[in-house]
Amino acid sequence: DQQVKQNSPSLSVQEGRISILNCDYTNSMFDYFLWYKKYPAEGPTFLISISSIKDKNEDGRFTVFLNKSAKHLSLHIVPSQPGDSAVYFCAASAGTNAGGTSYGKLTFGQGTILTVHP
Amino acid sequence: NAGVTQTPKFQVLKTGQSMTLQCAQDMNHEYMSWYRQDPGMGLRLIHYSVGAGITDQGEVPNGYNVSRSTTEDFPLRLLSAAPSQTSVYFCASSRGGSYGYTFGSGTRLTVV
Repeated sequence: DQQVKQNSPSLSVQEGRISILNCDYTNSMFDYFLWYKKYPAEGPTFLISISSIKDKNEDGRFTVFLNKSAKHLSLHIVPSQPGDSAVYFCAASAGTNAGGTSYGKLTFGQGTILTVHP
Repeated sequence: NAGVTQTPKFQVLKTGQSMTLQCAQDMNHEYMSWYRQDPGMGLRLIHYSVGAGITDQGEVPNGYNVSRSTTEDFPLRLLSAAPSQTSVYFCASSRGGSYGYTFGSGTRLTVV
């Protein structure tokens, strides 16, 4: 039962253009969502997060959008740079709604390989 | 500030052997977790802890044990290694709330 899904295994974009990475979830108890970036042979690095009480959160070139009714979130990277080439994971947790201990449980998607061409 | 430190970085085990993957963080984070990453599967939660003395199972806990005797350390024990446990293992920690998890650089484990 894949509760967090990233249906696009890979995405290729031109430098300077927008990258849009998508993520769907099925568990309505999820109330906190995160995006991570991972380079080969390294651990994932936290990028940006969003609480379910918001529908948008921005941090520099990165913006995350949340559509609760569709159980869908997306990460926009504008403008894309070659250094953004990596695997991107979305993750979700049921921290607030389900009680304190559940915050420790992050459920990850399968990841999307982003390649930004110069 | 070292962040999350995992040792060893690489390990080869024979089927049936046991070992402990070490994880230490120096950020005084309450939350710590162990994940395994397999091709096409993303990261799957093995065990997690919300504070010293408190642990709980994740999605794929079978064959693994954990304990949290201090805030800093969260070791993962493989009881009797199996080839299905060949994977990359990541430890992570967080202060909770709106803060994301900080991950270690991983341990690549091969069971032959």
